[in-house]
Amino acid sequence: ELKVEQNPLFLSMQEGKNYTIYCNYSTTSDRLYWYRQDPGKSLESLFVLLSNGAVKQEGRLMASLDTKARLSTLHITAAVHDLSATYFCAVVSNTGNQFYFGTGTSLTVIP
Amino acid sequence: DVKVTQSSRYLVKRTGEKVFLECVQDMDHENMFWYRQDPGLGLRLIYFSYDVKMKEKGDIPEGYSVSREKKERFSLILESASTNQTSMYLCASSRLSGYEQYFGPGTRLTVT
Repeated sequence: ELKVEQNPLFLSMQEGKNYTIYCNYSTTSDRLYWYRQDPGKSLESLFVLLSNGAVKQEGRLMASLDTKARLSTLHITAAVHDLSATYFCAVVSNTGNQFYFGTGTSLTVIP
Repeated sequence: DVKVTQSSRYLVKRTGEKVFLECVQDMDHENMFWYRQDPGLGLRLIYFSYDVKMKEKGDIPEGYSVSREKKERFSLILESASTNQTSMYLCASSRLSGYEQYFGPGTRLTVT
């Protein structure tokens, strides 16, 4: 079974600061998603990373994938309050049938 | 616009009751999924289906069953609800295996 570790679990950061969320996984995979979940709402897809070295950016969020290290990062630049949410990474199994989710990182951006 | 709907946002049931959670997608997706979400555990896959009348067990299928009689509808059944099944249940669908999953709003189930 593919294991996904995400850290930190909780992150409180001041507006304007930078930080990185890490997603490590245990076996080979070439496809990884990042999702965002607002309180009381469902998950929305942010990024899909399809190959080693892939980098995607949207606004203040940038995601990258290193398949050799089995590591993805979600970097937050100059955080703003609107980014407060829980972020999940999801790794796709080699068979392609199943997503394995990390435990989530609850981000709170403090003014 | 992509849409996945779930029959209830909140549900309270008693121990031993049979519980049905319904999920409908309007995107003609092949694959549908049921997850439960618990604090500190992330999302865990209960069952998924890649075609009508087909189902596969996920990581935690015990105590659950599913039904997919039509392509757009995927039901999760708790045959005899127990308190440890109190959780948030999320339905998702995807066009093909490994493609982006689109999630419904979730059903918060409380079993007393």
